[in-house]
Amino acid sequence: GNSVTQMEGPVTLSEEAFLTINCTYTATGYPSLFWYVQYPGEGLQLLLKATKADDKGSNKGFEATYRKETTSFHLEKGSVQVSDSAVYFCALTHLFTGNQFYFGTGTSLTVIP
Amino acid sequence: NAGVTQTPKFRILKIGQSMTLQCTQDMNHNYMYWYRQDPGMGLKLIYYSVGAGITDKGEVPNGYNVSRSTTEDFPLRLELAAPSQTSVYFCASSDGRNTEAFFGQGTRLTVV
Repeated sequence: GNSVTQMEGPVTLSEEAFLTINCTYTATGYPSLFWYVQYPGEGLQLLLKATKADDKGSNKGFEATYRKETTSFHLEKGSVQVSDSAVYFCALTHLFTGNQFYFGTGTSLTVIP
Repeated sequence: NAGVTQTPKFRILKIGQSMTLQCTQDMNHNYMYWYRQDPGMGLKLIYYSVGAGITDKGEVPNGYNVSRSTTEDFPLRLELAAPSQTSVYFCASSDGRNTEAFFGQGTRLTVV
């Protein structure tokens, strides 16, 4: 079946530290992969996406590369800010899944000054 | 652009009551979804729709019903509310072409 496994949190980092949140997936064929961010009290917002192998999605200093060989889509940022404190969700969708979205359990990030 | 709009934002229900969570989108998306979010559990799909008049069950449909009479609207009905339905509910839509889903702001429901 289709599933997403992401690194458990919570994660606490100091400002300007390097961030990695691991995400691996199980899917048939070539899904599209996403990272969503959820700020407190809000809905999910798309952070970045990649639709085929070796694509790199990037936005607001965050990056993730679609690795077919390791079925991974790890989120990275070189220097986190306090404003990056949020919950991050890895997700996939696929035409073979009827365009349903499968989400990881979320990773809570807190950045301290 | 309004995107996906959900109402209400908050609601407290008593056990056994019923209610409808409203969701509307203005992006002409064919696909719409209802998720519930429980702490530490990620998002679970309740129901989804691939177009007006077509709905299907997701992972956790028990206790809920949906309808899709128009492209824009996808209400979620709770009959006989139970404490296990205390959760945050999100509606989302997509164009179904392997692109991203757009989410509403959520409805926080408490059943007491």
